[in-house]
Amino acid sequence: DAMVIQNPRYQVTQFGKPVTLSCSQTLNHNVMYWYQQKSSQAPKLLFHYYDKDFNNEADTPDNFQSRRPNTSFCFLDIRSPGLGDAAMYLCATSRDWGSEQYFGPGTRLTVT
Amino acid sequence: DAKTTQPPSMDCAEGRAANLPCNHSTISGNEYVYWYRQIHSQGPQYIIHGLKNNETNEMASLIITEDRKSSTLILPHATLRDTAVYYCIVRVLGETSGSRLTFGEGTQLTVNP
Repeated sequence: DAMVIQNPRYQVTQFGKPVTLSCSQTLNHNVMYWYQQKSSQAPKLLFHYYDKDFNNEADTPDNFQSRRPNTSFCFLDIRSPGLGDAAMYLCATSRDWGSEQYFGPGTRLTVT
Repeated sequence: DAKTTQPPSMDCAEGRAANLPCNHSTISGNEYVYWYRQIHSQGPQYIIHGLKNNETNEMASLIITEDRKSSTLILPHATLRDTAVYYCIVRVLGETSGSRLTFGEGTQLTVNP
């Protein structure tokens, strides 16, 4: 089945130690998104790619970066995780701008 | 994007219809109404969307009032697996900013046996 895959499902990192979360898709969608969802809050968009065009949300901290080396994969890099970055990170894809988004299961990041 | 207002929580008996309301009184003519849901510890799931006509798919029905200032998501026969947070989102299509899903607080629907 076509899907959005996130690895790992659970990630523990130390304060200040860089961490990379990965997302892959078999849907061949043009757009890929990264959301952050903190406990008991709604998901919040961090950035998205349309093909290779990167779009950063205005309030996304510089500590967060993203890479999309090809259509299928997208990575979220957190350069120096702080305790406040502990959250669920959700990857989503859509065929085009405004199409419905398909979400992966998320990666739960713990910062110790 | 227009702001939406949803009740924070609702309960429904298993097998009965669940009717989830959403107010979007400042919606613009080119904004669609989208519904997503998020089951605990999972990613959000697309349910349905519409512009002004009522819509139905295998998951749910969407009823939009004639003035488009409010809508209702209907789950015709709720099951325990429908327990989730339901998000009502309005968005413009076809623009960079419009592809953004801005999640509000949503409604926690609890389906009881």
